Amino acid sequence: DTGVSQNPRHKITKRGQNVTFRCDPISEHNRLYWYRQTLGQGPEFLTYFQNEAQLEKSRLLSDRFSAERPKGSFSTLEIQRTEQGDSAMYLCASSSSTDNYEQYFGPGTRLTVT
Amino acid sequence: AQRVTQPEKLLSVFKGAPVELKCNYSYSGSPELFWYVQYSRQRLQLLLRHISRESIKGFTADLNKGETSFHLKKPFAQEEDSAMYYCALLTGFQKLVFGTGTRLLVSP
Repeated sequence: DTGVSQNPRHKITKRGQNVTFRCDPISEHNRLYWYRQTLGQGPEFLTYFQNEAQLEKSRLLSDRFSAERPKGSFSTLEIQRTEQGDSAMYLCASSSSTDNYEQYFGPGTRLTVT
Repeated sequence: AQRVTQPEKLLSVFKGAPVELKCNYSYSGSPELFWYVQYSRQRLQLLLRHISRESIKGFTADLNKGETSFHLKKPFAQEEDSAMYYCALLTGFQKLVFGTGTRLLVSP
């Protein structure tokens, strides 16, 4: 197990296009989180899954954003009609009760909207 | 309001000097606090959490509820400690609220 993985690592898109990111958590981790980090800021919480259930969504997550975790394993985060303000690093983390719910982070997907 | 404040963007010290990275929080519940570290070109990783009361890589942090602080300290900084440090608060919905981070630069 190499830890949390995210794909792609970098994405450049034009304003108005849709993008989708994927996160593969550590095996057996039942909780999965998405965060967004902009320059000079710490990560900001977007949403959280326990197994396949999405339990909380931040107000930062506008209607253009949707996240899924269909089988309780990998997750996808889709942004529709991207805007320049969506440019950021998108981080995924996973955790498990067996590890005291320590959140392990992936390397992130850097999105640039031109 | 749930908020974490790290007042210093950059802290620059010489090798062997003591280090204190400041963190203050605002939270109405019982706080659970963490320090995360990000070394150059690496992912964010947990350094320590207050409930474990451990010392990791020589770093310690004590939760002071009266001052609502969770400052990170190390008596003798090493060059390999140079990194970005984030203080984080775990809220009731299992989400982490992060501060803006402090870049620690340890010079030889």
